[in-house]
Amino acid sequence: GAGVSQTPSNKVTEKGKYVELRCDPISGHTALYWYRQSLGQGPEFLIYFQGTGAADDSGLPNDRFFAVRPEGSVSTLKIQRTERGDSAVYLCASSRPPGQGTDTQYFGPGTRLTVL
Amino acid sequence: DAKTTQPPSMDCAEGRAANLPCNHSTISGNEYVYWYRQIHSQGPQYIIHGLKNNETNEMASLIITEDRKSSTLILPHATLRDTAVYYCIVRPEYQGAQKLVFGQGTRLTINP
Repeated sequence: GAGVSQTPSNKVTEKGKYVELRCDPISGHTALYWYRQSLGQGPEFLIYFQGTGAADDSGLPNDRFFAVRPEGSVSTLKIQRTERGDSAVYLCASSRPPGQGTDTQYFGPGTRLTVL
Repeated sequence: DAKTTQPPSMDCAEGRAANLPCNHSTISGNEYVYWYRQIHSQGPQYIIHGLKNNETNEMASLIITEDRKSSTLILPHATLRDTAVYYCIVRPEYQGAQKLVFGQGTRLTINP
């Protein structure tokens, strides 16, 4: 079946602009995660949704970052007033609901964000 | 911080078995060992996970020591397409924080 998809695959923006990154999880997966990966580093956790609510947003670096998942499926990561340091690959992952097998996380291909 | 320690890089000849070690000496009783890999410019790919028994699937085998303080991922017949960064991660299943904590991983290079 279809895996996790993310759009756009690449996004170039200017410092100070607003960007939205989209994630479509695997169908039926109720848990959705966002990670950020800087060059040469492993992915770092940003936020985790179980259904529509953010169960853990402890990884969001500051209040310029916000994520929503209004209908419990697609999620959007929103970054306000982008800074050059926000340049990274933003990864999304999803996993099955509790009690329906392993909660292994499956990742999408990522969105490469470049802030000029 | 990551709870695992891995060598930063390894090389293996094509067709040979690649054995990737991981130390997780502070692992808790309810924590699983997960392995992911990341091929250049792609998202991390799940490989295998286990609690205390050895596991095998179509991609790899996972050997966990009896005291669970270390493990080895085995790719039995490495190909050039197995060149990637391999991450060893420990996490509880369905308990509390669901996030994966990645370390630096091991950069595995398969040589022809």
